[in-house]
Amino acid sequence: GEDVEQSLFLSVREGDSSVINCTYTDSSSTYLYWYKQEPGAGLQLLTYIFSNMDMKQDQRLTVLLNKKDKHLSLRIADTQTGDSAIYFCAESSTSGYSTLTFGKGTMLLVSP
Amino acid sequence: NAGVTQTPKFQVLKTGQSMTLQCAQDMNHEYMSWYRQDPGMGLRLIHYSVGAGITDQGEVPNGYNVSRSTTEDFPLRLLSAAPSQTSVYFCASSTLERNTEAFFGQGTRLTVV
Repeated sequence: GEDVEQSLFLSVREGDSSVINCTYTDSSSTYLYWYKQEPGAGLQLLTYIFSNMDMKQDQRLTVLLNKKDKHLSLRIADTQTGDSAIYFCAESSTSGYSTLTFGKGTMLLVSP
Repeated sequence: NAGVTQTPKFQVLKTGQSMTLQCAQDMNHEYMSWYRQDPGMGLRLIHYSVGAGITDQGEVPNGYNVSRSTTEDFPLRLLSAAPSQTSVYFCASSTLERNTEAFFGQGTRLTVV
């Protein structure tokens, strides 16, 4: 079955760039997503990339996709303390109606 | 605009008790789903529905029942709660065309003792 792997923890200083990495196994993934979960809250879609794209930029967020290596990354420029959260990588399967397969999440801690 | 509303936010059950977790959305989304989130496990799909009257199993359906009598509501039933069902439960909804761009509720934290 599909599998999505992420590192569990990342710590950065305020103002630095953060890079959160993700690998997936399903070569037929159509969309890949980044969700953000703040403490005590549900998940919020941050951004997504279609599998035929290499890069997508959205303000401080840059998503890079290496389809050959099945590697996805999320770069947050000028990281702020408000960016501290858990970030989930997810991919959509192609079996029947698409469902999301999530990674275990990367906890990003931004210190002042 | 309420989005996806889950009730209750917190619940403690004794082993063997039953209960229903409520989920409602006001966005006229066809697709609704239930996930559970456990430490170190990410989110795992329990059940999903592509419209009223249609439901299907996800990755971890055992011990849970669902029904979808209306577009708005998608309740999750635990018939006989077990400690292994202690988790945080999230309901999500989306359109069928973009059914993986999901809107999530705030979650229900369930403890089974």
